[in-house]
Amino acid sequence: DSGVTQTPKHLITATGQRVTLRCSPRSGDLSVYWYQQSLDQGLQFLIQYYNGEERAKGNILERFSAQQFPDLHSELNLSSLELGDSALYFCASSETSGESTDTQYFGPGTRLTVL
Amino acid sequence: AQTVTQSQPEMSVQEAETVTLSCTYDTSESDYYLFWYKQPPSRQMILVIRQEAYKQQNATENRFSVNFQKAAKSFSLKISDSQLGDAAMYFCAYRSDYGGSQGNLIFGKGTKLSVKP
Repeated sequence: DSGVTQTPKHLITATGQRVTLRCSPRSGDLSVYWYQQSLDQGLQFLIQYYNGEERAKGNILERFSAQQFPDLHSELNLSSLELGDSALYFCASSETSGESTDTQYFGPGTRLTVL
Repeated sequence: AQTVTQSQPEMSVQEAETVTLSCTYDTSESDYYLFWYKQPPSRQMILVIRQEAYKQQNATENRFSVNFQKAAKSFSLKISDSQLGDAAMYFCAYRSDYGGSQGNLIFGKGTKLSVKP
């Protein structure tokens, strides 16, 4: 158990809908990262938050957004869902914003299926 | 932009034997970190080992060790005394180490390792 929690474990929804994925980082970690794992694209970085502020953006679609709350948990919002958004979404956390000793620990993931 | 390449989509090893998974990367940076993550059928991403680019000594963690060749931009993972529980997808990952840079990981496509009893 990495100490990172994600809910829900599975999510099935329809095209055009909106969903919210939730992540709680390990105790003491200030950074949260979101990654998407799909068959065609592999593991891709979406976005990073550090202590409530957006720190870095990767290949995140405009239909997707995220935030990190004062208690450091994070939510990833996916809207106007398309079939291609079906994937495993991971949250990872680390102590700092990416400094030298940082190691990312991953949550169990949320499996999103868009029908 | 940095890239990570894992040229072996699948590998197989006999239980108790040794196997080496390959990883190459492309970067113009001199300071960075390299990682191997394991993803078993449960889909959990588990850190196996990490290597700092400034360290010449290869990292080891119990039965897992790496062969880090900085000039060749190569970072292979050796698993000794393979066990059935080692069967998983293995991902090689890169992270920059520049002050103020983003700390995200860049992953290879993965190598699926099977362990035969």
